[in-house]
Amino acid sequence: ETGVTQTPRHLVMGMTNKKSLKCEQHLGHNAMYWYKQSAKKPLELMFVYNFKEQTENNSVPSRFSPECPNSSHLFLHLHTLQPEDSALYLCASSRIQDSGGTGELFFGEGSRLTVL
Amino acid sequence: GENVEQHPSTLSVQEGDSAVIKCTYSDSASNYFPWYKQELGKRPQLIIDIRSNVGEKKDQRIAVTLNKTAKHFSLHITETQPEDSAVYFCAARRTSYGKLTFGQGTILTVHP
Repeated sequence: ETGVTQTPRHLVMGMTNKKSLKCEQHLGHNAMYWYKQSAKKPLELMFVYNFKEQTENNSVPSRFSPECPNSSHLFLHLHTLQPEDSALYLCASSRIQDSGGTGELFFGEGSRLTVL
Repeated sequence: GENVEQHPSTLSVQEGDSAVIKCTYSDSASNYFPWYKQELGKRPQLIIDIRSNVGEKKDQRIAVTLNKTAKHFSLHITETQPEDSAVYFCAARRTSYGKLTFGQGTILTVHP
């Protein structure tokens, strides 16, 4: 399989549940991202990992916990979420170029999360 | 930080007509401006991008123009087709190392 794949595609959870979203990229990229997409809002960057190291956390609540065990895999652990966290969570990857610049973003299909 | 405003939020056109989506950005140091297309239930995909050293770029039926002085850039789609119906996002980035800041998106509907 090629590209960026996300699982699960749909997730319904209660506010006290613990669940995880998984992202895997088969493009040989070395940077991975989590974005949140809510209705009528811009895509919001949540976390950035360059070479497995977290380089950005955009003031995301601690109930979202990212994990990047290697350059190909990215997880988003979810705990005690709120109904307003319901959204489409998109994973993306890119290649950090030799110059240090960031190339094109390739997105996954997203995980549609509903918090009851 | 960077702020990107995108208009209109919805756009409806007849097949064969042209469609124009406009974005403004706040950071004059931004130098990379991509456009992403997201079909219903699908992932966003890059369709065209432009860097600040050029004023226009064209790829078949789509083109992007950039006005650095006014800090705005636009997406132009000519001879629209129903398969062009999607949400279009503009974005801006300050440097090669910086993060992309996205606009709010435009829902384009092309009626047959």
